Amino acid sequence: DSGVTQTPKHLITATGQRVTLRCSPRSGDLSVYWYQQSLDQGLQFLIHYYNGEERAKGNILERFSAQQFPDLHSELNLSSLELGDSALYFCASSRDRGNEKLFFGSGTQLSVL
Amino acid sequence: DQQVKQNSPSLSVQEGRISILNCDYTNSMFDYFLWYKKYPAEGPTFLISISSIKDKNEDGRFTVFLNKSAKHLSLHIVPSQPGDSAVYFCAASGNNDMRFGAGTRLTVKP
Repeated sequence: DSGVTQTPKHLITATGQRVTLRCSPRSGDLSVYWYQQSLDQGLQFLIHYYNGEERAKGNILERFSAQQFPDLHSELNLSSLELGDSALYFCASSRDRGNEKLFFGSGTQLSVL
Repeated sequence: DQQVKQNSPSLSVQEGRISILNCDYTNSMFDYFLWYKKYPAEGPTFLISISSIKDKNEDGRFTVFLNKSAKHLSLHIVPSQPGDSAVYFCAASGNNDMRFGAGTRLTVKP
């Protein structure tokens, strides 16, 4: 158990809909990272938050947004969903803001039908 | 955005032999490198890391080598065991983000 909790584990929705994925980092961790893994693809970096502030942005679509709350949990919002958004979304956390190992949750499997 | 590349999607080795997984990166700003291991239905778990000030780091059966001039790193597993069968991701860190390669599926045959 990494200590990182992601909910829900599975999500099935339709095109055009909006969903929210939730991540609770390990106790004491200030950084939260979001990644997308499509079928047979690597982990695509989406966004990094540190102590409530956005630190870095990767290949995140404009239809996607994220935030980190004062209690350090994070949410990834995906809107106007398309079939191609179907993927496994991972959240990871770390103590500080870089150059250290990340602890990953077990992911949210999103299926857009 | 292929800043980190793992060109071998899969690798198969015999139990007891050496497994060598390779990774290349393009961004000179990366200064910390990691390997993660992933089993199905689980998130990746950290395996070993190396700072850019070193060229080798060893942890038991696992050794990571870094060649900064070639922007290349490799993971050696000796001896390989069937329990090592998993997908291995290379990662590079710098500028507040961490980028991952596409992964290499390692199969260790008994």
